[in-house]
Amino acid sequence: AQSVSQHNHHVILSEAASLELGCNYSYGGTVNLFWYVQYPGQHLQLLLKYFSGDPLVKGIKGFEAEFIKSKFSFNLRKPSVQWSDTAEYFCAVTYGNNRLAFGKGNQVVVIP
Amino acid sequence: GAVVSQHPSWVICKSGTSVKIECRSLDFQATTMFWYRQFPKQSLMLMATSNEGSKATYEQGVEKDKFLINHASLTLSTLTVTSAHPEDSSFYICSARDSISEQYFGPGTRLTVT
Repeated sequence: AQSVSQHNHHVILSEAASLELGCNYSYGGTVNLFWYVQYPGQHLQLLLKYFSGDPLVKGIKGFEAEFIKSKFSFNLRKPSVQWSDTAEYFCAVTYGNNRLAFGKGNQVVVIP
Repeated sequence: GAVVSQHPSWVICKSGTSVKIECRSLDFQATTMFWYRQFPKQSLMLMATSNEGSKATYEQGVEKDKFLINHASLTLSTLTVTSAHPEDSSFYICSARDSISEQYFGPGTRLTVT
């Protein structure tokens, strides 16, 4: 089975600070990679995804992620966060018949 | 974008009763739907994969007789929690996959078993 690791479950930072959330996965085969965001009281929304091609992926709301195959990583970044970025962020990886394995999530709190 | 709905959004039931949760893809056809369970402050755990017109595939450790899944049409899958117990209380989330392998998530259903 696939496992997905996200570190630093709780992240607190000030507006305009840069954010980087790490994601590592265990599956050695071809993978599709995703970052989802869950704003308070809302459902999961797709931030960005990587299927193939350019390993630097641009998503919505200024987020980007870089796929580094040799490191089994897909880290999420945003150069300057806003208060509205307060949310929980989940990394997910497909395995076996397009099933998704999720990391435990990062709770990000942005202080105005 | 693609929209997935769930009904009900929350439900309280007594121990021993059964509860049905619906998952609908509103503006696309989904040959595959997935059911997840999310415990407080934890990640989503895949329970089962539901394919239209065939039996669901359950993940290891998920009781198929307790969590009955039916995928009768390309836009509807249902999860029935049978003989619910307090330990079944959780947040249940479905997702539906479109033709390009992206999953769209429903808003979830909060189940509380008393």
